[in-house]
Amino acid sequence: GAVVSQHPSRVICKSGTSVKIECRSLDFQATTMFWYRQFPKKSLMLMATSNEGSKATYEQGVEKDKFLINHASLTLSTLTVTSAHPEDSSFYICSTPREGTTPNYGYTFGSGTRLTVV
Amino acid sequence: QQPVQSPQAVILREGEDAVINCSSSKALYSVHWYRQKHGEAPVFLMILLKGGEQKGHEKISASFNEKKQQSSLYLTASQLSYSGTYFCGTLRASNDYKLSFGAGTTVTVRA
Repeated sequence: GAVVSQHPSRVICKSGTSVKIECRSLDFQATTMFWYRQFPKKSLMLMATSNEGSKATYEQGVEKDKFLINHASLTLSTLTVTSAHPEDSSFYICSTPREGTTPNYGYTFGSGTRLTVV
Repeated sequence: QQPVQSPQAVILREGEDAVINCSSSKALYSVHWYRQKHGEAPVFLMILLKGGEQKGHEKISASFNEKKQQSSLYLTASQLSYSGTYFCGTLRASNDYKLSFGAGTTVTVRA
């Protein structure tokens, strides 16, 4: 089945620094990648959608200059949290359709990244 | 836009059954169900595409009433491994691909 490898699983960084999160699709091509943010005991909130070779589209209220998304290849999408602050601490998860580009077979998720900004 | 899930939480003993509901005020094209264990990413359970369709995954099944814009997830003869938070995710059209997730239902199965 479609597997997405997400790294790092946990990261602690100092305020003001940047953190890069990678999601790699294994054995399949991920044309579209969705990036979510999840607060403790809360639902998943879509931050942005990235498509290979084009600019990401961001949801309302998400700062594109703060959360830089790059989808340079069909197997790699990255989210960089720039100038991180404690309020950026959260669980970040990527997701992509399990088969091709259609959502009709569900989505597969990366294992998530727990970001803590101190 | 966000579907409404109920109940918020449920506690079961092994072998008991439970139903989780997901409803929307808008017409739906499909409903997805995912389970998330603490500290882990959500795992796909099933998707329902048509009205009245019912699907199963082990002893977990779901139905989708297209006319009522509602879906229900049935946990039958629950096992300890069923513990986790269940999310429904909805899509409103065939060309829609951005899932709207419900708030989640936390299921705790005790021995």
